[in-house]
Amino acid sequence: GESVGLHLPTLSVQEGDNSIINCAYSNSASDYFIWYKQESGKGPQFIIDIRSNMDKRQGQRVTVLLNKTVKHLSLQIAATQPGDSAVYFCAENPHSGAGSYQLTFGKGTKLSVIP
Amino acid sequence: DAGVIQSPRHEVTEMGQEVTLRCKPISGHDYLFWYRQTMMRGLELLIYFNNNVPIDDSGMPEDRFSAKMPNASFSTLKIQPSEPRDSAVYFCASSSRRGRNEQFFGPGTRLTVL
Repeated sequence: GESVGLHLPTLSVQEGDNSIINCAYSNSASDYFIWYKQESGKGPQFIIDIRSNMDKRQGQRVTVLLNKTVKHLSLQIAATQPGDSAVYFCAENPHSGAGSYQLTFGKGTKLSVIP
Repeated sequence: DAGVIQSPRHEVTEMGQEVTLRCKPISGHDYLFWYRQTMMRGLELLIYFNNNVPIDDSGMPEDRFSAKMPNASFSTLKIQPSEPRDSAVYFCASSSRRGRNEQFFGPGTRLTVL
C-alpha cells in the first residue's frame, strides 16, 4: 500500500544553524499533512500542519513546505536549539475532506543538536 | 488541563496473560485514538472513537485486541491473551471537534510481554 516515508533517518545540526527534515509521500490523494515532534519517553507533539491547497506555512521558528508535484514535504527549523533534539514524524491524511481522522505516520527522523 | 493521561506507564507481563491499558482523554475532546509504536512498523493507528462510539477499528491486529470507551472520560485497550510480538509502546490521543486533526498524545504505556 501507499505510505509515507523519510529520506534521512538521522540528522545532526550545530546549535544555531537551520535544520531541514524531509518527507516523501506516495498517496496523491492525501490532502492534509502534519509534523509531529517526539522527545524521548514522551508522546508525539503537534508542531504544524498544512493542507494540500497550500505550498508553504509558517509557525514560530518552523516552516513547512509542500511540493505536490514531487510529493515532497519538508520541515524547516530556524536557529536550531538543543531543545529541538527529538524524532520528527510527518503524517498524512488522505481522506480529511471526507471527515476521516486517520493519520498515516512516517518512520521518523532523529534530529540531534550539537551544542 | 493535565493532558491525556495513560496508565500504567510500564507493564511487564508473561505471554498468555491479559493486559489492560487505560486512557483518560482531555476533557471536552470528542475523539479518542489508540496507537501502537514499534521500531519496525512505526506509529500505527489501531482504533478511534467519536463521542464514545468506535468509528474505525481496521487497525486492530486481531481478535485478541479489544477497545472500549464506556464514557467520555475513559477508554481501555485490552489484549487477551498477550503475546511477545505485542511488545510496543501504546499511545492514546484525543482531539476536539474543532481542532480534530490536531491530536494530543498521552505519554504512552510501554508494554513488554515475556
